[in-house]
Amino acid sequence: DTAVSQTPKYLVTQMGNDKSIKCEQNLGHDTMYWYKQDSKKFLKIMFSYNNKELIINETVPNRFSPKSPDKAHLNLHINSLELGDSAVYFCASRQQGAWGYTFGSGTRLTVV
Amino acid sequence: AQRVTQPEKLLSVFKGAPVELKCNYSYSGSPELFWYVQYSRQRLQLLLRHISRESIKGFTADLNKGETSFHLKKPFAQEEDSAMYYCALEGSGSRLTFGEGTQLTVNP
Repeated sequence: DTAVSQTPKYLVTQMGNDKSIKCEQNLGHDTMYWYKQDSKKFLKIMFSYNNKELIINETVPNRFSPKSPDKAHLNLHINSLELGDSAVYFCASRQQGAWGYTFGSGTRLTVV
Repeated sequence: AQRVTQPEKLLSVFKGAPVELKCNYSYSGSPELFWYVQYSRQRLQLLLRHISRESIKGFTADLNKGETSFHLKKPFAQEEDSAMYYCALEGSGSRLTFGEGTQLTVNP
């Protein structure tokens, strides 16, 4: 059983489109995250949700909107995609008060 | 503010040689420090946590608060150690901040 699963694994789309990436965790964790890994492999936090409530919102364009329908899911919707959005997006989860993040396998987004 | 610096983007060693991946941090409180590893096109995996003071896959890391460092070491590198290594700090608000990463290549 995959602990943190992201879909799709690969996503190729044209500029200007709207797309979503889904993330689900079956660990019972109450905190979930989205990280962006750019072409230089730099990892930067984008959002964090705790029990469906937004707790971290970094300086991310408002074209990016996270949605957490329940504490096991944190989806990322991106409007009006731009070339610079091309990256690998990682979802992660952890239990509040515990250590260790569990990461998903990543979604490689390519905007053409 | 919390910040993690890994000064070497690329590190290349020969099999059997010692390896040290450097990490320095900046944080006003008491940090939780980690090393994560990412093998080619795979997910990030936790390698070490400073509090546990354990050795995983032969790697160790010691927190030096005086030098604000958390360098990762292994006495004898193996080819399968080739990967991207990230130092990370967890500070306020459950925010995990990563360094820029060091790509380690172990040559045969």
